[in-house]
Amino acid sequence: QQQVKQSPQSLIVQKGGISIINCAYENTAFDYFPWYQQFPGKGPALLIAIRPDVSEKKEGRFTISFNKSAKQFSLHIMDSQPGDSATYFCAASMTGTASKLTFGTGTRLQVTL
Amino acid sequence: GAVVSQHPSWVICKSGTSVKIECRSLDFQATTMFWYRQFPKQSLMLMATSNEGSKATYEQGVEKDKFLINHASLTLSTLTVTSAHPEDSSFYICSAPSGGGWSETQYFGPGTRLLVL
Repeated sequence: QQQVKQSPQSLIVQKGGISIINCAYENTAFDYFPWYQQFPGKGPALLIAIRPDVSEKKEGRFTISFNKSAKQFSLHIMDSQPGDSATYFCAASMTGTASKLTFGTGTRLQVTL
Repeated sequence: GAVVSQHPSWVICKSGTSVKIECRSLDFQATTMFWYRQFPKQSLMLMATSNEGSKATYEQGVEKDKFLINHASLTLSTLTVTSAHPEDSSFYICSAPSGGGWSETQYFGPGTRLLVL
């Protein structure tokens, strides 16, 4: 019930391409879905987040698409750049749990020249 | 955005010794902080929730007597790994929700890499 499944495990995209990472959750009580970016040896950094009352949120080159009925959400990175090469984690939390996050398994993105 | 710091950034210790890791919220108060452990190429595993002024809440399977957590003030939580062994070697990361314990936006520290010889 608490799992968040993430795919793919790794992803290689050419510079300028679109990177797409998918997540699925089971617990319908989740109501906050952030994405985190982590570089090697560093802590995760909040990238973008969405709540279930909207189907899409865009911030610069990063877009979250959310499908409440399918219990799925995805991260799209437009015009991917080598500097985007990192590990991306989706996560979920629910109101009333003091922001306790359940993380996906992570996707290692490599953007090639 | 809010800043969370950790100290030290890395530590090497001998087996059997104890190691203390500090987590500080630099520009906001945090009644709740979270401690995670991350093994290479794996996701973050929540170890415990640190609560200011009260006992920490540990996740299932995490030994509370081995991983001591103290939330001494609204800006400081410490994790002490007692009698560390090589299997405790990992990357330890803390996080704190901005704006207090019920804010949804969490900020993570830079992590502490522990190597137990």
